[in-house]
Amino acid sequence: DTEVTQTPKHLVMGMTNKKSLKCEQHMGHRAMYWYKQKAKKPPELMFVYSYEKLSINESVPSRFSPECPNSSLLNLHLHALQPEDSALYLCASSQGGGRTYNEQFFGPGTRLTVL
Amino acid sequence: GQQVMQIPQYQHVQEGEDFTTYCNSSTTLSNIQWYKQRPGGHPVFLIQLVKSGEVKKQKRLTFQFGEAKKNSSLHITATQTTDVGTYFCLHQGAQKLVFGQGTRLTINP
Repeated sequence: DTEVTQTPKHLVMGMTNKKSLKCEQHMGHRAMYWYKQKAKKPPELMFVYSYEKLSINESVPSRFSPECPNSSLLNLHLHALQPEDSALYLCASSQGGGRTYNEQFFGPGTRLTVL
Repeated sequence: GQQVMQIPQYQHVQEGEDFTTYCNSSTTLSNIQWYKQRPGGHPVFLIQLVKSGEVKKQKRLTFQFGEAKKNSSLHITATQTTDVGTYFCLHQGAQKLVFGQGTRLTINP
């Protein structure tokens, strides 16, 4: 299984809502990533988990809270978002971790709209 | 800080013409990866380059990593309509992972 799955595919939420994005992989990868992508822009790295520990946080606002319950799952908890947070949220995974990042497998993304 | 420029931003070609996109860094890179993202899709890994001066080929695609490990290119020979999409470099330096701005390729059949 070389697939990264993400749920939900689409999410519409108000600024006072709390929601979670979920990502799952069964490739035995030990590095997992969250990216944010706005239209016609490149993905921007948000967080990296390596061996289930947060290894990179790219100064992301605290209204985004990542969680890695186990080596196969990655969540992104959302609270008090702003309309400018509307974007495609991509999850990815790769073998290894640490200082060198290998080929990343991306999920299809969650299209988030904040009203 | 680390800066990488990817050019051109857009490229429109006739089917059968060649296409090249470039990534240039102000600092030495540990490695560079290339991804393709189809319209409405997600990035898909193409290749990783690690060694100075490395050249790798995948059918009509040729990837190069510069001798100083500060620049890289992706060349497509005789484009086909299936090559449409945005091509990104992803560079790693000083433990930061940063995508280039991307080159959006469109093709006139």
